[in-house]
Amino acid sequence: QSALTQPPSASGSPGQSVTITCTGTRSDIGTFDFVSWYQQHPGKAPKLIIHEVTKRPSGVPDRFSGSKSGNTASLTVSGLQAEDEADYHCTSYAGSSNFVFGGGTRLTVL
Amino acid sequence: QLQLQESGPGLVKPSETLSLTCTVSGGSVNSNSYFWVWIRQPPGKGLQWIGDVFYSGVTYYNPSLKSRVTMSQDTSKNQFSLNLTSVTAADTAVYFCARRVGGGRYFFDYWGQGALVTVSS
Repeated sequence: QSALTQPPSASGSPGQSVTITCTGTRSDIGTFDFVSWYQQHPGKAPKLIIHEVTKRPSGVPDRFSGSKSGNTASLTVSGLQAEDEADYHCTSYAGSSNFVFGGGTRLTVL
Repeated sequence: QLQLQESGPGLVKPSETLSLTCTVSGGSVNSNSYFWVWIRQPPGKGLQWIGDVFYSGVTYYNPSLKSRVTMSQDTSKNQFSLNLTSVTAADTAVYFCARRVGGGRYFFDYWGQGALVTVSS
């Protein structure tokens, strides 16, 4: 069982928006603004797409955005494209040099 | 461009020690700006942070694995390594090495391709 809770699946049609949630506790997401999101295509390494809740690394399309409210972080993918079909993982710093991950969400583009 | 590459045995027997090495190119492990990380992913499951090693040799481990994990680095070879003792089938996973940004920031910006390690007799 993962420390952060993500829905196992999400889906949307091309052009639509989809939001994936990541729920933690006061000890991790609720305390620290160090939530990051990773995109993972099958058989590939995870790729950083959001860090520090809302920041996008260079080269990541602005269709990807992050937010946080209380103990829950969210990743929104706007204007869905076929190449967005992948697994998405959230992680949060949990203090004392410890990190927790979610179980991952499989995003399907219909 | 920074690149990381995992290497090591793909099959380990139960109760033995899993040993992996990550070779870094395009950057140095001897940097006070980054931590060097191991993360694993059991088949069909989510990611799990195993631990970090800093250039000074300071290490941080996942509390659930701490009793079995040792991480170290070899600056002369620009590598860092993972040892996990007393393995069981539950340790079967793809093991990724990665870089974590330091300086009070907490995310993993570069990852290796991953190495599948199966624990089986």
